[in-house]
Amino acid sequence: EAGVTQSPTHLIKTRGQQATLRCSPISGHTSVYWYQQALGLGLQFLLWYDEGEERNRGNFPPRFSGRQFPNYSSELNVNALELEDSALYLCASSLVSGSRADTQYFGPGTRLTVL
Amino acid sequence: QKEVEQDPGPLSVPEGAIVSLNCTYSNSAFQYFMWYRQYSRKGPELLMYTYSSGNKEDGRFTAQVDKSSKYISLFIRDSQPSDSATYLCAMGSNNNDMRFGAGTRLTVKP
Repeated sequence: EAGVTQSPTHLIKTRGQQATLRCSPISGHTSVYWYQQALGLGLQFLLWYDEGEERNRGNFPPRFSGRQFPNYSSELNVNALELEDSALYLCASSLVSGSRADTQYFGPGTRLTVL
Repeated sequence: QKEVEQDPGPLSVPEGAIVSLNCTYSNSAFQYFMWYRQYSRKGPELLMYTYSSGNKEDGRFTAQVDKSSKYISLFIRDSQPSDSATYLCAMGSNNNDMRFGAGTRLTVKP
């Protein structure tokens, strides 16, 4: 069974540009999570999508946005890129059962570099 | 105060040593606890997952949870160079909200 996949592996942009990152969850998983992992800062929760809806959002500005498609894949968009947006962006998926969240399984990440 | 505190290390031990990694947390709503291992330039992979207070063992790894003290630990016995990685604690509540520690960087020297 394929795991979580992300594309591209690396992305280089300049300040002010927009970046689009993509994620495909594990088959059968309906929840997708996005995290930012900046050097020395650990994983910071960005967004959670489930069944096409945004369920929760971390403490990030509105220029971080995303969506989930009917096939449960997801896209993260970062507008007006700033130098401090340089980080590893991780996508995770989970199978939500009832009120309890199962564990999240992570993809390999997209390394975004803003010059 | 951060919701989850984890000593970032780095931690360096000789091969065969017992490693102890720890996290504390402040939110009593956290109900489940996990440890992830992350190799350089890779995504985190789940090592241990537990719901209850007490110990859970899996091979050389033991996860310990003390909900009353809001303290979790991961012990690695007979550590190997292949255990060299960053270890992240994570915890979540029933609303699917998860928080991660900053990660402890471990090096096991041959």
